[in-house]
Amino acid sequence: DQQVKQNSPSLSVQEGRISILNCDYTNSMFDYFLWYKKYPAEGPTFLISISSIKDKNEDGRFTVFLNKSAKHLSLHIVPSQPGDSAVYFCAASLLGGGATNKLIFGTGTLLAVQP
Amino acid sequence: DTEVTQTPKHLVMGMTNKKSLKCEQHMGHRAMYWYKQKAKKPPELMFVYSYEKLSINESVPSRFSPECPNSSLLNLHLHALQPEDSALYLCASSQEYRDPYEQYFGPGTRLTVT
Repeated sequence: DQQVKQNSPSLSVQEGRISILNCDYTNSMFDYFLWYKKYPAEGPTFLISISSIKDKNEDGRFTVFLNKSAKHLSLHIVPSQPGDSAVYFCAASLLGGGATNKLIFGTGTLLAVQP
Repeated sequence: DTEVTQTPKHLVMGMTNKKSLKCEQHMGHRAMYWYKQKAKKPPELMFVYSYEKLSINESVPSRFSPECPNSSLLNLHLHALQPEDSALYLCASSQEYRDPYEQYFGPGTRLTVT
């Protein structure tokens, strides 16, 4: 059962335009959400996060929106740049025993920013 | 220093070999993780260490044996692996007490079992 879903396997955007990546989740107990970016042959790199008590978090060109009632979050990148081309993973955090952080990852969306 | 290092970068091993993957972080993080990632799939959690103690084992076969010798080091010992175990093995660490709970990932070890 996939608790975190990214229904768009790929997205193509023109340079300078907005990229919107979407993520849906099923478990209302998730308390923290994160976006990671991954280039081929590298580990995921943390990008931005949002607590379940907030609905928006912004960091430079990246903004994450959380709609708890819809169990939906999105990542907005504006303006998009060719260097943003990568696979983007949405992840949700579930506090486990002993305060150990457990991340559940979505299946990823491949973003291609065309020059 | 926000770096997690992993060695080796690539590893090819036979099904009867014994090898180890190594991971190191110097961020003072007290939780460390092993993930397995197959092509075009999300990372899958294998093990979690919290304060050098095994906290989570996601029903991983015993041919994978984790070890946390100290708060900065994490090993994954491999023995009698199968070809389907070929994957990218990622190590991560996180600071447990503070918000946010980001995990920092290493570059991974690309493992091929022949």
